[in-house]
Amino acid sequence: SQQGEEDPQALSIQEGENATMNCSYKTSINNLQWYRQNSGRGLVHLILIRSNEREKHSGRLRVTLDTSKKSSSLLITASRAADTASYFCATDGTSGSRLTFGEGTQLTVNP
Amino acid sequence: DAGVIQSPRHEVTEMGQEVTLRCKPISGHNSLFWYRQTMMRGLELLIYFNNNVPIDDSGMPEDRFSAKMPNASFSTLKIQPSEPRDSAVYFCASSLSGTGGNEQFFGPGTRLTVL
Repeated sequence: SQQGEEDPQALSIQEGENATMNCSYKTSINNLQWYRQNSGRGLVHLILIRSNEREKHSGRLRVTLDTSKKSSSLLITASRAADTASYFCATDGTSGSRLTFGEGTQLTVNP
Repeated sequence: DAGVIQSPRHEVTEMGQEVTLRCKPISGHNSLFWYRQTMMRGLELLIYFNNNVPIDDSGMPEDRFSAKMPNASFSTLKIQPSEPRDSAVYFCASSLSGTGGNEQFFGPGTRLTVL
């Protein structure tokens, strides 16, 4: 099956709550990245975590990586209605520059 | 920087017609990627170039699809003849490849509708 699978497929929360999305992958990686896509737009890079890192922060975003479980999580704290979007994880293998994207989590933040 | 530029933004054509999608990557980037996104299949990598050379075209659906990158600042994705099942949003992305990680920058996409 596909490298990079997000869980859940859809998530609906209230503004101010935290949102957690998970990603699992199958093969060894160099890096794992998270992207965001607003409806009708291209993907935008959010954060990159290297295979030798376990946690990374950027503003309200917190990413963890567990290479032993081949999984990552993206936490968005104090969510806002403007965070409503699809979120994708993407992995790159140990060679080459291509990324493999998961199927995405559709996050809806209700005002 | 203007970011990745794609044209046209929308294309409506009839089955059997030739369609050409265009992409201008970010200046200085050495990798370029063409993706297709549909509800059913998600985001699929079609082909990518490194230093204008096609590296992996295993995602190209069939011979009706072809891609070129004649220079570092321009790439085309051509579908000939087009079919209704080719309807999708096609994204071009570019990156600066290296050991420091390869964040990709996406264009706004071309929404293709084949009637």
